[in-house]
Amino acid sequence: EVQLVQSGPEVKKPGESLKIFCKASGYSFSRHWIGWVRQMPGKGLELMGIIYPDDSDTRYSPSFQGQVTISVDKSINTAYLQWSSLKASDTAIYYCARRTFIRGVTANWFDPWGQGTLVTVSS
Amino acid sequence: SSAVTQPPSVSVAPGQTASITCGGVNIGVRNVHWYQQRPGQAPVVVLYEDFDRPSGVPERFFGTNSGNTATLTITRVEAGDEADYYCQLWDFTSDLPVFGGGTKLTVL
Repeated sequence: EVQLVQSGPEVKKPGESLKIFCKASGYSFSRHWIGWVRQMPGKGLELMGIIYPDDSDTRYSPSFQGQVTISVDKSINTAYLQWSSLKASDTAIYYCARRTFIRGVTANWFDPWGQGTLVTVSS
Repeated sequence: SSAVTQPPSVSVAPGQTASITCGGVNIGVRNVHWYQQRPGQAPVVVLYEDFDRPSGVPERFFGTNSGNTATLTITRVEAGDEADYYCQLWDFTSDLPVFGGGTKLTVL
């Protein structure tokens, strides 16, 4: 079974750093792009960026460039999202999702998604 | 532009048909994908490439895409269909996905 399992909820103070993870299983991790998506309280889905685990090719949405870092450790089938200095406005649920294949080539949608990691930033 | 717009909300009585639109310039030439997000859960794809259904998604869910509008239609709506629905396409200029703002489907 293809699965993405994310790290647990976090409560942090403004200015603190954080790294959350997304561990993949059930498929060839290196061959599928992984995306990170933010969902602020009561709001919609925002794509933060995507990464190709095989060579760590990473693309960021303009709104998130320089604000977060996306990385992978393909030896343990895990993708990461990290912040060096959190802000209260980073409070959100963060999802990872796999860019799937269709007919043997990379598709342009995401399946499956991880369960989400709730990050709360409050003083 | 790859910007896409969805109505914030759609309401429908049980057993009726719900239509959720996703508008964008010439969206009909793009592949559009649809996700369902039930309260407290992660999104799940319900349609991909305009109208294909992953296994397990009922035939009550179907999609069309033409001109400037893609549409997710749910027939014989059930209480369990109440969720937020998001359309998504791929922006080949930035090589990144673009999500619509989401539509909250309320089953009256």
